[in-house]
Amino acid sequence: AQRVTQPEKLLSVFKGAPVELKCNYSYSGSPELFWYVQYSRQRLQLLLRHISRESIKGFTADLNKGETSFHLKKPFAQEEDSAMYYCARGGQETSGSRLTFGEGTQLTVNP
Amino acid sequence: ETGVTQSPTHLIKTRGQQVTLRCSSQSGHNTVSWYQQALGQGPQFIFQYYREEENGRGNFPPRFSGLQFPNYSSELNVNALELDDSALYLCASSLTGSFAEAFFGQGTRLTVV
Repeated sequence: AQRVTQPEKLLSVFKGAPVELKCNYSYSGSPELFWYVQYSRQRLQLLLRHISRESIKGFTADLNKGETSFHLKKPFAQEEDSAMYYCARGGQETSGSRLTFGEGTQLTVNP
Repeated sequence: ETGVTQSPTHLIKTRGQQVTLRCSSQSGHNTVSWYQQALGQGPQFIFQYYREEENGRGNFPPRFSGLQFPNYSSELNVNALELDDSALYLCASSLTGSFAEAFFGQGTRLTVV
């Protein structure tokens, strides 16, 4: 079975500090990996996906197949980054909406 | 373009009862998935529908069933409710394609007493 592991349930940093949210996945073929974010009182939404290789809101994530990791990074955290972050893996099926989620990391950026 | 909407927002049911949750997909999306999110956990995949047919199922018993209609809206039905079914139920719609973005609804909070 596919697994996604986020080892930290809570992560607290100060504004301007670098932040890294860890994600590891179980190896199986070519993974399709995503980071989803849920801001307070908002619905779950896509932050970024590995195939896009883009930076969103200053966040980047690099797929490391050797370490089966997809850590989310931002060099300078902002208070508005405080949210719940979920790493997710797409299945082998046709649609990206079938996802296996990690348990999430609650990021708090302190002023 | 409208987003994914779910109804009702909150629901309280008694153990043993049946419940139907509804989801209206984002315009143009032909795929819908349902997730169960227990408190403090990540969403868990229940099943997915594509063009009105079930297209994959997670580790949930048969008393969890679903439907997708020609307009791509969807229902999640749960029979013989158990206390552990208390959770937030999320619906997500998307286009086809393994990297397609999933658009989530705001969820239905089900409490079984």
